[in-house]
Amino acid sequence: GAVVSQHPSWVICKSGTSVKIECRSLDFQATTMFWYRQFPKQSLMLMATSNEGSKATYEQGVEKDKFLINHASLTLSTLTVTSAHPEDSSFYICSAWGVAGSYEQYFGPGTRLTVT
Amino acid sequence: KNQVEQSPQSLIILEGKNCTLQCNYTVSPFSNLRWYKQDTGRGPVSLTIMTFSENTKSNGRYTATLDADTKQSSLHITASQLSDSASYICVVSEDTDKLIFGTGTRLQVFP
Repeated sequence: GAVVSQHPSWVICKSGTSVKIECRSLDFQATTMFWYRQFPKQSLMLMATSNEGSKATYEQGVEKDKFLINHASLTLSTLTVTSAHPEDSSFYICSAWGVAGSYEQYFGPGTRLTVT
Repeated sequence: KNQVEQSPQSLIILEGKNCTLQCNYTVSPFSNLRWYKQDTGRGPVSLTIMTFSENTKSNGRYTATLDADTKQSSLHITASQLSDSASYICVVSEDTDKLIFGTGTRLQVFP
């Protein structure tokens, strides 16, 4: 089946620094990738949708200058949390869509970000 | 407003027992409905995906049903195992890519 990986799986950073999270589709080309954020005991919340080679579309309330998304290739998307603050601490999950004939979105294993 | 509501919020059952989780949605237009299993600290894993014309779909011990007229779905787990302990999320798609997530049902299976 289609596999999506994320790196790192967890990261701790100091307030004010930037953190980059990678999302890769390992065995298929992802025309669209999605970034979600999940707080404890809550469901996933879509942050942005990115298509390869074009600018990401952000959901209402998500700061595009703070959460930089780059989808430079059909197998890689990155999310950079700039000037991180403790309230950015969360579980970040990406998903990828692009398997021909399938509605399926394949989710990565997630990245736990803790900002101290 | 497009919404997906799940019940119960949490559920505790004994190993070997069956259980049924419920999902009601108001998403329109409707494309498909999915059930995901999410272990703590992990990304969601797809269990089933059903389009408008499908009433039921099985994946091993998991069986999902869909009533598109009443906008209800259920996920039935047969002969539960300890490894079934997880959150189960009902997700409805209004088109081919945007997903609307339910808040999930947290299932705990005890020996």
